[in-house]
Amino acid sequence: SYALTQPSSVSVSPGQTATITCSGEKLGERYACWYQQKPGQSPVVVIYQDNKRPSGIPDRFSGSNSGNTATLTISGTQTMDEADYYCQAWDSSTRVFGGGTKLTVL
Amino acid sequence: QVQLVQSGAEVKRPGASVKVSCKASGYTFTTSDINWVRQAPGQGLEWMGWMNPNSGNTFYVQKFQGRVTMTRDTSKNTAYLEVSSLRSDDTAVYYCTRAPSRSFDIWGQGTTVTVSS
Repeated sequence: SYALTQPSSVSVSPGQTATITCSGEKLGERYACWYQQKPGQSPVVVIYQDNKRPSGIPDRFSGSNSGNTATLTISGTQTMDEADYYCQAWDSSTRVFGGGTKLTVL
Repeated sequence: QVQLVQSGAEVKRPGASVKVSCKASGYTFTTSDINWVRQAPGQGLEWMGWMNPNSGNTFYVQKFQGRVTMTRDTSKNTAYLEVSSLRSDDTAVYYCTRAPSRSFDIWGQGTTVTVSS
C-alpha cells in the first residue's frame, strides 16, 4: 500500500522559515494536500492540489510537489503556527496521510 | 455556513457495533463525497474510505473492509459510519469530512468512540 513519510518534528524560531517535507513514491504524479491540526481541534486544510491556498489561509503558507517529495513552507513563522501538520496524497483511489510532523516555534 | 455536525461520544464493549452520524448543512449534500478519518489517542490521521452521497457508492480501505459500512440518508442530509466487531484499538476520534476538490475542506467536530470492557 502507498505510504508517505514525514519528519516527526521540526523546530523553528519565530519569524524564520519552516520547511516540512513529505516523501512518497512518485508523489509528484499525485496531488498533495497539507493539514494543520492544533490540540483538541479538527484538522484544517492549508494547502491543496500541491500549491493552492484556501481562502482565509495566510499567504505565508506555500506548497510544492515534484518527484518523490512534497514540501510545505511557512515563511515568517508565527507562534500561532505551532501545530501538527499532515501531508496527504490524493489520486483516483488514494487519500492516504503521512504520519504527521510536530512543528515547534521557539 | 457550510458545516458537518457529528453525533456525540460513545462507549462500547469489545465485539459491539457503533454507528456515528454526520449531518451536513449549508451546501447541497449530494454534490461532494463524504470521507471518514479516525485518530487514535496521541496518533496520526488514518483515512478509512469514502462514500458518494448521490449514488451511495463506497470505497473502503482494505484494512477496514468487512467491518466498516458507510451509508447515507439524503432526506436528512446525513452520512453514517458503522463499525462492527469493535476492538480496543478502535478507540479513536472519528471525523467525517467533505471532499469537493481533491482535499478535505470541511471537517466535523469529531466523535470519540471508546471501546472498553
